[in-house]
Amino acid sequence: SQQGEEDPQALSIQEGENATMNCSYKTSINNLQWYRQNSGRGLVHLILIRSNEREKHSGRLRVTLDTSKKSSSLLITASRAADTASYFCATDAQNTDKLIFGTGTRLQVFP
Amino acid sequence: DTGVSQDPRHKITKRGQNVTFRCDPISEHNRLYWYRQTLGQGPEFLTYFQNEAQLEKSRLLSDRFSAERPKGSFSTLEIQRTEQGDSAMYLCASSLRILAEISTDTQYFGPGTRLTVL
Repeated sequence: SQQGEEDPQALSIQEGENATMNCSYKTSINNLQWYRQNSGRGLVHLILIRSNEREKHSGRLRVTLDTSKKSSSLLITASRAADTASYFCATDAQNTDKLIFGTGTRLQVFP
Repeated sequence: DTGVSQDPRHKITKRGQNVTFRCDPISEHNRLYWYRQTLGQGPEFLTYFQNEAQLEKSRLLSDRFSAERPKGSFSTLEIQRTEQGDSAMYLCASSLRILAEISTDTQYFGPGTRLTVL
């Protein structure tokens, strides 16, 4: 079963705009990770944020985590056509090492 | 190191046949995971190994599924008597667990094996 849900399910923007994706999850977690998946390909790890962290940056990516609301957001600034992909959040429930993925947000960036 | 590799990339089979997939993790990684992903969904956990020991199996892994990692390096996932519902992308990931108290390691994924059961 899916742990999280991403919102929106699909997002279309123009190059240069910012894209924000949200993830909600159900149980307490140790960490939350964001992955990108190009169509028909494997997943690429983007960023990991630990449960005691509130914000993390990596290049054009900014991730926030609110454990009280069981939610996270991924912001991609100054988007590029190459950012077109599906984005998934993944959590690990406490006392387990498996990742539980959300349903994903399909991002389309138009040049 | 070129990352996690999976073979084959695509497999088409007829219902009732057996299939086997292989995953080669990043060489120094001691953990190896299998996930299954159907169209429009996120990956779902199937099983994982630490070295050669299989530590957890999902209830998604029916008796027709078996996974091995005999020498703690590559892993195989076999599906016996395939059914149309087995059609999916099968993803392998690996990670390095160094300290017991680190709760989660970054998992690096392979390109996946897309299975189509006719």
